[in-house]
Amino acid sequence: AQTVTQSQPEMSVQEAETVTLSCTYDTSESDYYLFWYKQPPSRQMILVIRQEAYKQQNATENRFSVNFQKAAKSFSLKISDSQLGDAAMYFCAYRRSQGGSEKLVFGKGTKLTVNP
Amino acid sequence: DTGVSQDPRHKITKRGQNVTFRCDPISEHNRLYWYRQTLGQGPEFLTYFQNEAQLEKSRLLSDRFSAERPKGSFSTLEIQRTEQGDSAMYLCASSLSDKNIQYFGAGTRLSVL
Repeated sequence: AQTVTQSQPEMSVQEAETVTLSCTYDTSESDYYLFWYKQPPSRQMILVIRQEAYKQQNATENRFSVNFQKAAKSFSLKISDSQLGDAAMYFCAYRRSQGGSEKLVFGKGTKLTVNP
Repeated sequence: DTGVSQDPRHKITKRGQNVTFRCDPISEHNRLYWYRQTLGQGPEFLTYFQNEAQLEKSRLLSDRFSAERPKGSFSTLEIQRTEQGDSAMYLCASSLSDKNIQYFGAGTRLSVL
């Protein structure tokens, strides 16, 4: 079974600084998708960024970028120029690309605090 | 398009009662998912539908849980004879069949007393 591990329960960053959130996963599949979702307090989960495993280029979305290391099964999220609105729980998630199951497998999350 | 809508947002019930939650997906999304999230954990998959067909169920979905999507639009999740261990946030998500991005609702928080 696939598993996702986020080893940092909490992280903090100063406003305008850069922070990196870690995620590792375990799978025997060669093709899959990886996601970072953001869950602000009492609000719905929103997609931050997505990576397709067959693509070697790291995904970027404005201030958010990933470092995808397929051989190491590592998928970290870098947030540049952190803003107060970035404070939230961040979840790393995995999904198979083939074989029928469309479920997302989530890590336990990292709580990010942004200090003014 | 108002996104994925869930109702109610909060539900408090006594142990042994039945509860039902509703999810309205983004219009034209033919896939609908249910997840459960307990405090300090990431969401865990419960079940998903493609149109009205329930294609996958997790072992977490005990016999007391049932989900339906009768016309391939909204879905309901019913929990019978609730237990304190059922207390959690129940999240619904939807996606298009040719995409793999799941869009989440705000969830229904269930508290079983």
